[in-house]
Amino acid sequence: DAGITQSPRHKVTETGTPVTLRCHQTENHRYMYWYRQDPGHGLRLIHYSYGVKDTDKGEVSDGYSVSRSKTEDFLLTLESATSSQTSVYFCAISEQENTGELFFGEGSRLTVL
Amino acid sequence: AQKITQTQPGMFVQEKEAVTLDCTYDTSDPSYGLFWYKQPSSGEMIFLIYQGSYDQQNATEGRYSLNFQKARKSANLVISASQLGDSAMYFCAMREESRTGNQFYFGTGTSLTVIP
Repeated sequence: DAGITQSPRHKVTETGTPVTLRCHQTENHRYMYWYRQDPGHGLRLIHYSYGVKDTDKGEVSDGYSVSRSKTEDFLLTLESATSSQTSVYFCAISEQENTGELFFGEGSRLTVL
Repeated sequence: AQKITQTQPGMFVQEKEAVTLDCTYDTSDPSYGLFWYKQPSSGEMIFLIYQGSYDQQNATEGRYSLNFQKARKSANLVISASQLGDSAMYFCAMREESRTGNQFYFGTGTSLTVIP
């Protein structure tokens, strides 16, 4: 299994508070992604990174920021959480060689009250 | 336009029967990849099968096969001899290349229930 860990795995917070989710990989993969999963929407890309300090927005990036200061860590920050950001968040990694498939972390369930 | 369309929100199949989960995609890139992932009730995302846009033959992985019809832009997943453990959500995904690397797009998923 790909070495990807997400923390925290579960979090309950209140509207307006900042939240940071961490994704850590031990695979030295170049590409890292943050998705959110909501019923009826599948997985939607929030932000992704194509190298250290190199990030770009996905289709649902509003209200989220990311940082990647090291190859192994990709942080997702909600500056001021809203109830619409209640979701399950998945981190994923990939490389461009072979099939280039995505390897997923276990997911982080965030509830914003 | 949706990049990936899965039109079956839910499917039922009898144990030991085969089932086809539909997926259509939309891209103008000549080079792309198609994937299927399984998400059991425990929540993890499990990679099942991959098909490259230039692959001439349909991909197979054990009981999983991908029915790739390029002209129709469809990439249906066929599960043969269904088992109770196949009950899960199934997601179709497509990878496109961009100047900053790979972009992945997912469908909304199909919930498969295997009936004993």
